[in-house]
Amino acid sequence: AQKITQTQPGMFVQEKEAVTLDCTYDTSDPSYGLFWYKQPSSGEMIFLIYQGSYDQQNATEGRYSLNFQKARKSANLVISASQLGDSAMYFCAMREPQGAQKLVFGQGTRLTINP
Amino acid sequence: GAGVSQTPSNKVTEKGKYVELRCDPISGHTALYWYRQSLGQGPEFLIYFQGTGAADDSGLPNDRFFAVRPEGSVSTLKIQRTERGDSAVHLCASSLTGGTGGRETQYFGPGTRLLVL
Repeated sequence: AQKITQTQPGMFVQEKEAVTLDCTYDTSDPSYGLFWYKQPSSGEMIFLIYQGSYDQQNATEGRYSLNFQKARKSANLVISASQLGDSAMYFCAMREPQGAQKLVFGQGTRLTINP
Repeated sequence: GAGVSQTPSNKVTEKGKYVELRCDPISGHTALYWYRQSLGQGPEFLIYFQGTGAADDSGLPNDRFFAVRPEGSVSTLKIQRTERGDSAVHLCASSLTGGTGGRETQYFGPGTRLLVL
């Protein structure tokens, strides 16, 4: 069963607009962590933001914020004031305690920022 | 400080050959991970080291794949009798302790692109 689902294969957004990238997850464990990574064309995975399942507030890191809806099992990434350099693949990932330390990734969303 | 480094950045080999891929984690990180990323997919877990020992190798696809980390720092992923289906980007990541609590982040290297002809 797919544990992480990213339903948007591609997104196109005008520069300076906000964009939301969707992520839903499936777990029966009450304790888990959710991560978002950015992968530019160079290939390196760049950590963006983390949300713990017990965190009371939505995570924020600069222009990145996470819209965490625990009951719906969704953890959408919001990028405000998009920039051309935001064009990349974006991956949502989950870590579960019983899954040891491994991250389980979704299939990713390719974001393209248009000037 | 320096991030995770991987060598070579690209490796082209012929079917049936043996390859070694190297990973240098961030200095001081005790946990090291290998993932494999096929074209158009997210990374898939292969193996996790805590220090010198493989704490979880459940993601290795078959016995042609093996990884070592003899001194608890550099790791080598070894693939025997390569097949065309092994073509992928092999990513290495490290984290400080590998602890289950908190927001411990895995930091990734640039990957090695393996192409098996």
